[in-house]
Amino acid sequence: EDQVTQSPEALRLQEGESSSLNCSYTVSGLRGLFWYRQDPGKGPEFLFTLYSAGEEKEKERLKATLTKKESFLHITAPKPEDSATYLCAVQARNYGQNFVFGPGTRLSVLP
Amino acid sequence: NAGVTQTPKFRVLKTGQSMTLLCAQDMNHEYMYWYRQDPGMGLRLIHYSVGEGTTAKGEVPDGYNVSRLKKQNFLLGLESAAPSQTSVYFCASSYLGGNTGELFFGEGSRLTVL
Repeated sequence: EDQVTQSPEALRLQEGESSSLNCSYTVSGLRGLFWYRQDPGKGPEFLFTLYSAGEEKEKERLKATLTKKESFLHITAPKPEDSATYLCAVQARNYGQNFVFGPGTRLSVLP
Repeated sequence: NAGVTQTPKFRVLKTGQSMTLLCAQDMNHEYMYWYRQDPGMGLRLIHYSVGEGTTAKGEVPDGYNVSRLKKQNFLLGLESAAPSQTSVYFCASSYLGGNTGELFFGEGSRLTVL
């Protein structure tokens, strides 16, 4: 069964303390892996798409990487405004329009 | 530019009642989606549409119906609400059918079924 898991479930960091979030997936024929950010009471906001192992994408303090079984979202010198839930999703070649989302990692960055 | 707008934002229903959630997008996107989000679980696709007049089932379609009579609107209906349908519902749209992974989400509609 295709699935996406994320770890840790929750993470508390001090401002400036770098860390990584993990997204592990099992899917037949990965078409793409996507990262979203979700603020409380809001809808998810798109961050990155990764298509193949070895690919990396960066945006401000965030960097996403992809291997054949997992993806990491690295957060460098985070600020309190980076606090949010980060969602990972995968699309398989035979899924059509169905993205499989992970449960998310809730990140809190303390000043 | 409003993006994706959902109404209502909150609703409380009694078991057996019916209701419709409305999603409107002003980005001229072809593809529209309805997801539900429950605590500890990922977003799950209920139904989607690849263009005006089309609909298709997602992962968890039972108990829901949808319609896409106009390109900019996607309606989600519950004919006979059940407590298991208590959830936060998100509408999303995309230009390229998710090929780039970029879905634009609304702010959600929180539904409680008593």
